[in-house]
Amino acid sequence: DQQVKQNSPSLSVQEGRISILNCDYTNSMFDYFLWYKKYPAEGPTFLISISSIKDKNEDGRFTVFLNKSAKHLSLHIVPSQPGDSAVYFCAANTGLTGNQFYFGTGTSLTVIP
Amino acid sequence: ETGVTQTPRHLVMGMTNKKSLKCEQHLGHNAMYWYKQSAKKPLELMFVYNFKEQTENNSVPSRFSPECPNSSHLFLHLHTLQPEDSALYLCASSQLAGREWRDTQYFGPGTRLTVL
Repeated sequence: DQQVKQNSPSLSVQEGRISILNCDYTNSMFDYFLWYKKYPAEGPTFLISISSIKDKNEDGRFTVFLNKSAKHLSLHIVPSQPGDSAVYFCAANTGLTGNQFYFGTGTSLTVIP
Repeated sequence: ETGVTQTPRHLVMGMTNKKSLKCEQHLGHNAMYWYKQSAKKPLELMFVYNFKEQTENNSVPSRFSPECPNSSHLFLHLHTLQPEDSALYLCASSQLAGREWRDTQYFGPGTRLTVL
């Protein structure tokens, strides 16, 4: 059973607008979350993380929001740029599973110039 | 070389072949991982090595055999694979600092494996 879900396989956004990528999880024990970005023919690269003691973390154009009651997190990219076109994965971890992370299936973002 | 490298980048093999995937990390990390990514599925963790010791084996079939000779190198030995094993195999590394395991994993580019 998939514990981390990204229900939108793809998203298209106009350059300069906001991109919002969503991620839902089922395990209430998850308390640490990450977003990775993946270009074709490359491995995923770390983008931003958030701990469950926070509900928001910001790094430049990227902001991650965490809603623990809804078991939902989202990644906001503002403003979106064509170079942001990639597949975005969310991942979650719990203190009980050591360094094992559970990944979603990814959302492919296309930023249209 | 910097980061995490994987060789080969592409591999086609028959079901009776034996091959190995290689991963090398140049980051000074002490944990290494093998993941499998199949089409439209999430990344599946296969093996974890912490300080060269295997700590996780997520019910992976014995036709996949990992080897970690030192903290910088990780191998995945393949034998008698099935067509459904065709996937992207990703290696990652991270730095475990004491009891802080909430570490970021750095991924290699992956090996695209096709089993005929």
